[in-house]
Amino acid sequence: AQSVTQPDIHITVSEGASLELRCNYSYGATPYLFWYVQSPGQGLQLLLKYFSGDTLVQGIKGFEAEFKRSQSSFNLRKPSVHWSDAAEYFCAVGIHSGNTPLVFGKGTRLSVIA
Amino acid sequence: KAGVTQTPRYLIKTRGQQVTLSCSPISGHRSVSWYQQTPGQGLQFLFEYFSETQRNKGNFPGRFSGRQFSNSRSEMNVSTLELGDSALYLCASSLTPGQSNEKLFFGSGTQLSVL
Repeated sequence: AQSVTQPDIHITVSEGASLELRCNYSYGATPYLFWYVQSPGQGLQLLLKYFSGDTLVQGIKGFEAEFKRSQSSFNLRKPSVHWSDAAEYFCAVGIHSGNTPLVFGKGTRLSVIA
Repeated sequence: KAGVTQTPRYLIKTRGQQVTLSCSPISGHRSVSWYQQTPGQGLQFLFEYFSETQRNKGNFPGRFSGRQFSNSRSEMNVSTLELGDSALYLCASSLTPGQSNEKLFFGSGTQLSVL
């Protein structure tokens, strides 16, 4: 079965600074990979996804993520963080069978300070 | 187009009671999934329904059940509530089943508190 680890529970960055959120997965083949964001009191919103092809994926709100097969990683990046980016971020992994539910990481809470 | 609607938004129950949560998916979406979200465990998959049939079930006790109606609306029920059932329950819809290759659209959730 697939699994996903988000090593950082909480990260604080200054507004305007760059951001990288880590995600490591465990699966024997190439998985489907997702990043979702949850603002306070809201459900999750898809930021971006990787299925195949180009390993650098662009998403909404200026986010991007890079799939690195050798490191089993799918880290989320943003060059300049805005205060509105403060939220909880979830990495998720799916497999190609299609009948297996997504497995979510436990999330990384992002705080943004002035 | 309206998003995924979950009702009620908040619920307070006592141990031993039962509760029913409702989810209306985005119009045209026939697949509905339910997740339990807690601070320590993150999102845990409960079940997925498509065309009124349960396609998948997570590792939860039989006290947790669900169903889907012909209009794709879904309900989940928790009987004999325990303190540990306190959580945010999220519903997600998609056009087709099989979450691994589908974009999920989430509702804002129902916050259940068990006293």
